[in-house]
Amino acid sequence: EVQLVESGGGLVQPGGSLRLSCAASGFTFSTYSMNWVRQAPGKGLEWVSYINSRSSTIYYTDSVKGRFTISRDNAKNSLYLQMNSLRDEDTAVYYCARDSVLDPWGRGTLVTVSS
Amino acid sequence: QAVLTQPSSLSASPGASASLTCTLRSGIDVGTYRIYWYQQKPGSPPQYLLRYKSDSDKQQGSGVPSRFSGSKDASANAGILLISGLQSEDEADYYCMIWHSSAVVFGGGTKLTVL
Repeated sequence: EVQLVESGGGLVQPGGSLRLSCAASGFTFSTYSMNWVRQAPGKGLEWVSYINSRSSTIYYTDSVKGRFTISRDNAKNSLYLQMNSLRDEDTAVYYCARDSVLDPWGRGTLVTVSS
Repeated sequence: QAVLTQPSSLSASPGASASLTCTLRSGIDVGTYRIYWYQQKPGSPPQYLLRYKSDSDKQQGSGVPSRFSGSKDASANAGILLISGLQSEDEADYYCMIWHSSAVVFGGGTKLTVL
């Protein structure tokens, strides 16, 4: 069964940092691109970042450029999102999703940025 | 103006059909894009339903019933998700998505009520 499990969320003060992880299983992780997508409480979906299978192509949404870094470790079947200089507006559930199709999605991890 | 515009809400009766629209911003030609559709129920991550570009370029998500289908209205520059034979379990938020300028773009979502 294909499974994605996010972890690393929590409460952090504005200006702080957090590292999210996404553990993949049930498929050949190294052959798929991956994405991070977030959803603020009661709001719609917002794509955050994309990384291809070999980490040679990376994209970010404008609001996180220079603050967030996506990476992956194919040997560990894991995807990461390093989030620095966090702002109140980064508060959201963060999902990882497989491939350019964004299928499937993990259950998400909640990041709360608040003083 | 947003890249993708969806009506915020739609109501339909059980057994009826519902047509959810996703209108592309003027200047972005719907004919050149694959449009992806996702369903999200409260407390759950989004689930991929299908993608549609043309009748020869379309894909149904794994396990997604055939009563979910995609189409386009070129005159309205819009993608359409058609749900036939509505069931109470179809009550959910629905999001459209495209890849545009090396980024994923989501519509704001449509809340479908089945009553």
